[in-house]
Amino acid sequence: GDSVTQMEGPVTLSEEAFLTINCTYTATGYPSLFWYVQYPGEGLQLLLKATKADDKGSNKGFEATYRKETTSFHLEKGSVQVSDSAVYFCALSGSGGYQKVTFGTGTKLQVIP
Amino acid sequence: GAVVSQHPSWVICKSGTSVKIECRSLDFQATTMFWYRQFPKQSLMLMATSNEGSKATYEQGVEKDKFLINHASLTLSTLTVTSAHPEDSSFYICSATIGQGISPLHFGNGTRLTVT
Repeated sequence: GDSVTQMEGPVTLSEEAFLTINCTYTATGYPSLFWYVQYPGEGLQLLLKATKADDKGSNKGFEATYRKETTSFHLEKGSVQVSDSAVYFCALSGSGGYQKVTFGTGTKLQVIP
Repeated sequence: GAVVSQHPSWVICKSGTSVKIECRSLDFQATTMFWYRQFPKQSLMLMATSNEGSKATYEQGVEKDKFLINHASLTLSTLTVTSAHPEDSSFYICSATIGQGISPLHFGNGTRLTVT
């Protein structure tokens, strides 16, 4: 079945540092890929998405590129802020859209001033 | 943007009692709602998918008689944890989607259930 593997956290960075959170996936067909963010005590918010190979999703300075050859969708940000501290989930939905989403285990990011 | 309201945000109940969690789409009609359970330091586990007016589809290993899901209207789905036990303590999150295909998921803020 479909699965998502992302790097374990927590990841602790100083403000303005470069962020990479690795994510790889296993799926049949051509899944859509997502990054969701969860702030403390809240639900998940869609951060960015990519629906086909070589697409780059971007939002709020975060970027991720759909790499079919390496089955990866790594999340990057050039300069993190304290307000980026949250848990980040990589996710995919199978061919056909958003109906059923498989999540990774989440990576907690803590940014210190 | 699309807002999903989940209530209550936290609840404490005694073993053997039942707890109802509501999930409402405030500014859109949700044809499909999903219920997830999140264990500490783990990912979200899909429990069930509910479509308005029909029975929910439960994932393998989820007891449908224990976790009752009702999707009575296009804006409301409820999850009732029946005869709750301490092992049911968890963070429950709902999400809703406007339509099929590539419609995005909108998540509620979750409900922290503690069973004593």
